[in-house]
Amino acid sequence: ETGVTQSPTHLIKTRGQQVTLRCSSQSGHNTVSWYQQALGQGPQFIFQYYREEENGRGNFPPRFSGLQFPNYSSELNVNALELDDSALYLCASSSQGTTNSPLHFGNGTRLTVT
Amino acid sequence: AQTVTQSQPEMSVQEAETVTLSCTYDTSESDYYLFWYKQPPSRQMILVIRQEAYKQQNATENRFSVNFQKAAKSFSLKISDSQLGDAAMYFCAYRSAEGNEKLTFGTGTRLTIIP
Repeated sequence: ETGVTQSPTHLIKTRGQQVTLRCSSQSGHNTVSWYQQALGQGPQFIFQYYREEENGRGNFPPRFSGLQFPNYSSELNVNALELDDSALYLCASSSQGTTNSPLHFGNGTRLTVT
Repeated sequence: AQTVTQSQPEMSVQEAETVTLSCTYDTSESDYYLFWYKQPPSRQMILVIRQEAYKQQNATENRFSVNFQKAAKSFSLKISDSQLGDAAMYFCAYRSAEGNEKLTFGTGTRLTIIP
């Protein structure tokens, strides 16, 4: 089975720019979650998508937005980038509705904002 | 809101020895799940072990086991016969049994294996 894949691996942007990160979910999974992991910290939940709808959101401003597509892949968009947005962004997929379905994580996208 | 606390920023253990990583959490819920994830330099979060709160029996996965104390809200991870490949960041995480699958993570413990 194909695991969770994220692109790009690394990205450098300038403050004020916009960025789009992409995630392909694991085969058979219908739910995608996004996490932000600042250096030396644990991941923080941004939001989750299920059947193309946002299904829960963490404490992140509206300039963090997302999409889920019919094939269950997903995008994370961040507008008006700030220096504090520099972090590792992790995508995780699961099969919601399946008992005991664990989250499967990708290798993340390292975003640096200068 | 739930919180997860890992009070050991770093731990080290001799190869083949046993090490225990600590985790405490705070919640008002009675039904939930607890996890330990491993994050090697490859950055991918890898599930090590999970525990359902309604189960009294401690979960075990090969060399990894947990000590789940529900009343004390404690969830420690024991790694037996430590191997060089166990070196990584270890994160404790909480998930409610209701609603979406949001995980709340602790700040992590960096485990070093001494050859």
